[in-house]
Amino acid sequence: SQQGEEDPQALSIQEGENATMNCSYKTSINNLQWYRQNSGRGLVHLILIRSNEREKHSGRLRVTLDTSKKSSSLLITASRAADTASYFCATDLSGYSTLTFGKGTMLLVSP
Amino acid sequence: DTAVSQTPKYLVTQMGNDKSIKCEQNLGHDTMYWYKQDSKKFLKIMFSYNNKELIINETVPNRFSPKSPDKAHLNLHINSLELGDSAVYFCASSSRTGRTEAFFGQGTRLTVV
Repeated sequence: SQQGEEDPQALSIQEGENATMNCSYKTSINNLQWYRQNSGRGLVHLILIRSNEREKHSGRLRVTLDTSKKSSSLLITASRAADTASYFCATDLSGYSTLTFGKGTMLLVSP
Repeated sequence: DTAVSQTPKYLVTQMGNDKSIKCEQNLGHDTMYWYKQDSKKFLKIMFSYNNKELIINETVPNRFSPKSPDKAHLNLHINSLELGDSAVYFCASSSRTGRTEAFFGQGTRLTVV
C-alpha cells in the first residue's frame, strides 16, 4: 500500500533546539497531514497542507511540501519537553478515500 | 463532551473469544474509520465508513466486522480472537473522507492471551 515514510525514525534533542522531521510518499496526493501521538494516547491533528501549497505555519510548527520530490518536512522551533511524542505524516492519496499513515518519528526533548 | 470516544480502553481476553469495541463520535462527521496500531507503532487502516456504507475494506481477516447502527457509531466486532490480533485499535472520524483532519479516539489496547 502507498505510505508516507518518516525520517528519522527517532530524534533526541535538548529543549530550545529545533526539530526537523521528513516525510516521503510514493504517489500523487490531495493533501498531506501531520499528527502527534503522545505515549498511550490517540493521534492529534497538527496541520494540513494541500497539494497546491508549499509552506504552512501554525504557532511553532512549519510544514513544507515539495510535490516534485514527493516529500514534506515538519519543523518544530524552540522545542519543549512537552513536545516529546511520536509524529506521523498522513497522505490523502488521489483516488483513495482514506488517510494513509507513515511509521512515525519518535521525538524526545530533554529538559 | 469527548469528540470521539471508544470503549473499552483496555481489553484482555483469551484466544478464540469474540469481542466488540464500541466507537461514538459527536462531531456530526460523515466518515468513520478503524485503524490498527501494532507494537512498532505502525498504523494500518482497517475500515472506512461513509454515511453507513463501507467504502474501503483493507485486506483484514473476515473475523473482523465493522457495524454502524447510525452515522455517529462504528463498532468493531472480532470473532475467534488470535494472538496476532493483540494491538491498539483506534477509531477516528472526519467530515470529508480523507480531505480534512481526522479526529481520533483514545484507543483500545487489546491483549489476546
